[in-house]
Order: sequence, then C-alpha cells, then structure tokens
Amino acid sequence: SQQGEEDPQALSIQEGENATMNCSYKTSINNLQWYRQNSGRGLVHLILIRSNEREKHSGRLRVTLDTSKKSSSLLITASRAADTASYFCATDNQAGTALIFGKGTTLSVSS
Amino acid sequence: GAGVSQSPRYKVAKRGQDVALRCDPISGHVSLFWYQQALGQGPEFLTYFQNEAQLDKSGLPSDRFFAERPEGSVSTLKIQRTQQEDSAVYLCASSLPLGGPEETQYFGPGTRLLVL
Repeated sequence: SQQGEEDPQALSIQEGENATMNCSYKTSINNLQWYRQNSGRGLVHLILIRSNEREKHSGRLRVTLDTSKKSSSLLITASRAADTASYFCATDNQAGTALIFGKGTTLSVSS
Repeated sequence: GAGVSQSPRYKVAKRGQDVALRCDPISGHVSLFWYQQALGQGPEFLTYFQNEAQLDKSGLPSDRFFAERPEGSVSTLKIQRTQQEDSAVYLCASSLPLGGPEETQYFGPGTRLLVL
C-alpha cells in the first residue's frame, strides 16, 4: 500500500511559471523526501526534510513540511522544460527499512 | 564513481518462465532495496538487505519472488513462474547504512519486465 498521496496528479505549466505539488501522508515520520523520475528512468533524489524542519531550500526547489497536517509541498520556481518529469514524495516506513512512495505528480513544462 | 546499475534493462518473458534480475549497487553501500513500479504508480517496496542479510522481505507479493545478496554487494531478484501481473519496472536502490547521516537512496534505471 502507498502512504503518500500527491496532488495534483498532473500539472501543465509554461516555462518560467512556478509549479507547486502537494503530498499528504498517514503515519508519523522521521523524514520526508522528494524524488524525480524522467520517463523510462530511475528515480533521482531531490531533497530530504526531517520531521523537525519546516522548510528547506535547494536551488530552485523549496520544500515545506507540516507534521500537524501530515503534509508537504514541493515548489519549483522559474520552471524549465527540462523539469518535465514525475515527482514523488516518499516517507520512511515504521520499521525504518524502506521508503513508501505516493503515486506521483506528472509535471509538464512547455516552452 | 558509478551509480547503481541493473541488468537487463528490458526483459520479455512468457508466462510461466523464470526470470532473474541483477542489481549492482554503488560500491561501499551497505543497504540495498528492491521496489516494484507498476505503470502510472509510485514504486512499492519489495525487500531490503543490509550487507548479505535480508532484513525485511515483507513487500514480496508471493513466494514466487525471491531475492538474494550472498556476498553483500550484487543482488539478484528472481521471479519464478512469471504471471502477467508481474509486468512492471523493477527498481533497485542502495544507500549508506540506515540511520546514518546520509539516508538518500540512489536508484538504478530499472528493469522493465513484460510477461506475455
């Protein structure tokens, strides 16, 4: 079963616009991660935010975490066509032995 | 250094055949994970190794699925008597020891399995 649910399932924007994706999860976590997957490829780690952090930045990425609402958001600023991919949030399972992924948001950035 | 590699990249099998999927983790990575990703879905956990020990295999969907990592490096995921519902991308990931300062999992490109 999957822990996280991303919202929206699909997002289409123009280059230069910002893209916001949301993720909700069900159980308590130690950390939450965001991954990106280009079509037909493996996943690439983007950013990790720990449960005691509220916001984290990495380049054009901004991640927020609200543990009281069990939700996180990923903001990509000034999007580029190369940002076109699927984005997944992932949390650690209770045993701490694996990541539990959501279904992902498919982002399409057109030039 | 090199990332996680997987072979074959694509596999077509007839229903009932056995298949073996290989994963070469990043050198020095203690932890190794297998995930199954169905079309349009996120990856789902199958099993986890720390060195050669299989510490969690709770995600394996049936006893037709078997994974091993005998020397604590390369791992093989074997699926016996494949069924059409086994068609998916099988992803391997490796990381430094869980609970350490670096918890990122590094993923391979996956093996796309199609069972006819």
